[in-house]
Amino acid sequence: DAGVTQSPTHLIKTRGQQVTLRCSPKSGHDTVSWYQQALGQGPQFIFQYYEEEERQRGNFPDRFSGHQFPNYSSELNVNALLLGDSALYLCASSLLVPSSTDTQYFGPGTRLTVL
Amino acid sequence: GQQLNQSPQSMFIQEGEDVSMNCTSSSIFNTWLWYKQDPGEGPVLLIALYKAGELTSNGRLTAQFGITRKDSFLNISASIPSDVGIYFCAGQPPGAGGTSYGKLTFGQGTILTVHP
Repeated sequence: DAGVTQSPTHLIKTRGQQVTLRCSPKSGHDTVSWYQQALGQGPQFIFQYYEEEERQRGNFPDRFSGHQFPNYSSELNVNALLLGDSALYLCASSLLVPSSTDTQYFGPGTRLTVL
Repeated sequence: GQQLNQSPQSMFIQEGEDVSMNCTSSSIFNTWLWYKQDPGEGPVLLIALYKAGELTSNGRLTAQFGITRKDSFLNISASIPSDVGIYFCAGQPPGAGGTSYGKLTFGQGTILTVHP
């Protein structure tokens, strides 16, 4: 049973470009959350998707958008990239109502570098 | 926005020693979580706490949800080399999604180094 998978592993872009990151949740999970983790910092919540709708959003500009597909996989899109967008982008999956034996799992992340 | 203050920022200990780290917040949380992150990996959930005053263990790890709902601590007993990594606390504020892992606020992390 595959856990949370993310692609690509690493990505290099230049300022002003657009990027799409992808996440496949753990089998059976219906909720996907995205986090941005700058070097030396804790993850920061971007948004959460459930039933193909954005359910909650953190303090990120509209340049950050997402999508969830019927198979529960998700994409994170960032437009007009800035140098400060360089970070590890983490995807986490869970059930909307998790149990004590099935909680939230993070993927390995996508390392985005903006030059 | 809400801030979590996690301390200490780093710890250098000898194998076999006990470790204690904590998180405090200016606001209350409904859920406290503790994660460990290894290099090149995403965070892995260690312990989840859902009620004020709750004390929960997971092997050599013990964590408590503070009575005021504004703090939590994590203890690791008899540390071993594989405990090395970055430990994060995270909290879910009231109204942030009910029972789901929504809108978590993370601390800055505690870097743990264990000398054999």
